[in-house]
Amino acid sequence: DTGVSQDPRHKITKRGQNVTFRCDPISEHNRLYWYRQTLGQGPEFLTYFQNEAQLEKSRLLSDRFSAERPKGSFSTLEIQRTEQGDSAMYLCASSWTGYKEKLFFGSGTQLSVL
Amino acid sequence: GDSVTQMEGPVTLSEEAFLTINCTYTATGYPSLFWYVQYPGEGLQLLLKATKADDKGSNKGFEATYRKETTSFHLEKGSVQVSDSAVYFCALIATSGTYKYIFGTGTRLKVLA
Repeated sequence: DTGVSQDPRHKITKRGQNVTFRCDPISEHNRLYWYRQTLGQGPEFLTYFQNEAQLEKSRLLSDRFSAERPKGSFSTLEIQRTEQGDSAMYLCASSWTGYKEKLFFGSGTQLSVL
Repeated sequence: GDSVTQMEGPVTLSEEAFLTINCTYTATGYPSLFWYVQYPGEGLQLLLKATKADDKGSNKGFEATYRKETTSFHLEKGSVQVSDSAVYFCALIATSGTYKYIFGTGTRLKVLA
């Protein structure tokens, strides 16, 4: 169990630029989640996958956000035309099939939009 | 929709004091309930869980009981240590045919020696 890995750990970008984050889940986990967390708040759900299928996406999520999980392994989260309000910690988590199974979180990618 | 409400922090206690962090939820059906903890500089990790009414989750001296009648899942510990200083998040897994986890806003605990 090597844990959930996220890359990069930190990303600084200018407003209007595109950014992409990567998440490598625990290898046998078939569910993968993306959350966003701002200072003093809890994780806010963005989207999740079961294998390669994206099963749900938050209605609060702008069309500038897109996520993929090709082949049901790693996942990428892309933000296009970044805005200052996108500055946050982006968390990835994975779990194995099991309705009440626990989530394993990565350390997150801290995005700062200048 | 489903939601979680937990008490605001920060909570500051002396070592060996009793801890309660309140959590209430709104959900249709029968959600599973969780407490996650985030220690300084680390990622979120599961502390304990309960999957049905009257279940008690426990771990590392922490306990929480799933109370359906009051829709609550309060976290308790009889004697806190400095090492318990962290942010605690109450969470549920939504019950509307989705596997989405919903988190509260977190409660920061600071334990003084």
